[in-house]
This record gives sequence, C-alpha cells and structure tokens, in this order.
Amino acid sequence: DAGITQSPRHKVTETGTPVTLRCHQTENHRYMYWYRQDPGHGLRLIHYSYGVKDTDKGEVSDGYSVSRSKTEDFLLTLESATSSQTSVYFCAISDRDREDIQYFGAGTRLSVL
Amino acid sequence: QKEVEQDPGPLSVPEGAIVSLNCTYSNSAFQYFMWYRQYSRKGPELLMYTYSSGNKEDGRFTAQVDKSSKYISLFIRDSQPSDSATYLCAMGSSNTGKLIFGQGTTLQVKP
Repeated sequence: DAGITQSPRHKVTETGTPVTLRCHQTENHRYMYWYRQDPGHGLRLIHYSYGVKDTDKGEVSDGYSVSRSKTEDFLLTLESATSSQTSVYFCAISDRDREDIQYFGAGTRLSVL
Repeated sequence: QKEVEQDPGPLSVPEGAIVSLNCTYSNSAFQYFMWYRQYSRKGPELLMYTYSSGNKEDGRFTAQVDKSSKYISLFIRDSQPSDSATYLCAMGSSNTGKLIFGQGTTLQVKP
C-alpha cells in the first residue's frame, strides 16, 4: 500500500457525533488526498493537501474538514456525522517526482447510524 | 453530464476471453490517463499509465488512448479468474494535479 496506513479500518458511529480518520505515510510525499467511494459514483475527491498546513477543497467537501500539521499525517474530520457520510474513505498520496500518479491506502469503512 | 463516463457493468466473461473496458470523457484538457484495479475491500492499485494517444502494452494488458475521440480503453488478453476486480479509469491534467475517476467497471472472469 505504498507506505500508507489508514486508521481506523472500520468504524460505526451515530448521527451527530464527530469522527476523525487518519492517514499516515512513511515516504515523505508532498501531496495527500482524501476520497470517498460510493456505488455509482466511483471515487470523489473530498479534500487534498499540497504541504504542511496547505489544504484545498475537492468536489464533495461539504461537511468535512482536514488538517495537516506534519508531512506524514493527513486527518479527515466529520464535525457532525450524517447518514449520507456512510461510505468507504480512501487516502492517497502522490509520487514525489510526478504528482499526477496517486497511490491509495486500504480504506476506512465508515457507517453512520 | 459527468466529465468521465464508464459503463459500470457488471461484465462477466469466461476464462481466456479478451476483455475490453472503456471510458469516455468530455474535458479536452486531460493530459494523462490511468487505469486502476481494485479488488474487493481493497484500495485501488495503479495498473497502467499513459500520457499520449496510442497504445501502451504491459504483459496481458494494453491501454489505448484516442484523444481526438476522447475515448480510452483497457484490453485484457487471456483473461484469468485473478483478473476479477473493479477497474477504474482516471484522468487529469498538470494544471490541476487532480484526478477525475470513472464510476468503475466490475469484471468477473469465470473459470
């Protein structure tokens, strides 16, 4: 998985609770991404980061925030989880030399009840 | 209209068949094209990558890009049960550094 660790791998939570997903990389890549994957929609970009404290919104950023205080960690937070945020979340990193190639983690399966 | 369209399938073929997976796109600014393979409950893994129009071959896999028609394909020769997975096309441009993914096509190769 290209040195990417996502945690937790599975989570069940209740509507209205905050949730934080963690992506950790060991290879000092500059770019990190958070996607969600849902049937019929493929992978959709939530937020991405192009350096420490440098982040930007993706296609489906509403209801999500991110932080990157260290190169190796990129956190995705659902401030108040909703059932529509039930999904599989993937973190990706970009190759150091060619930022267009992305490598993915194993995913976090989140259920919001 | 989505920027990238991909037939979700599912596609079921017998072992040894030639498989053709396709995507169309609308944004002529896309410069590079990728195919990812995703096994059930796993993350996507890069399978093929190309910048240019034409064919690129890697073992049993051939990626084809036709920029004039805004159409890309992935061919799998002598398909194996181990090829059973979801295949996602993805494309992007250097301007944005972001990838746009198709919905994915689920392939089953039956022994």
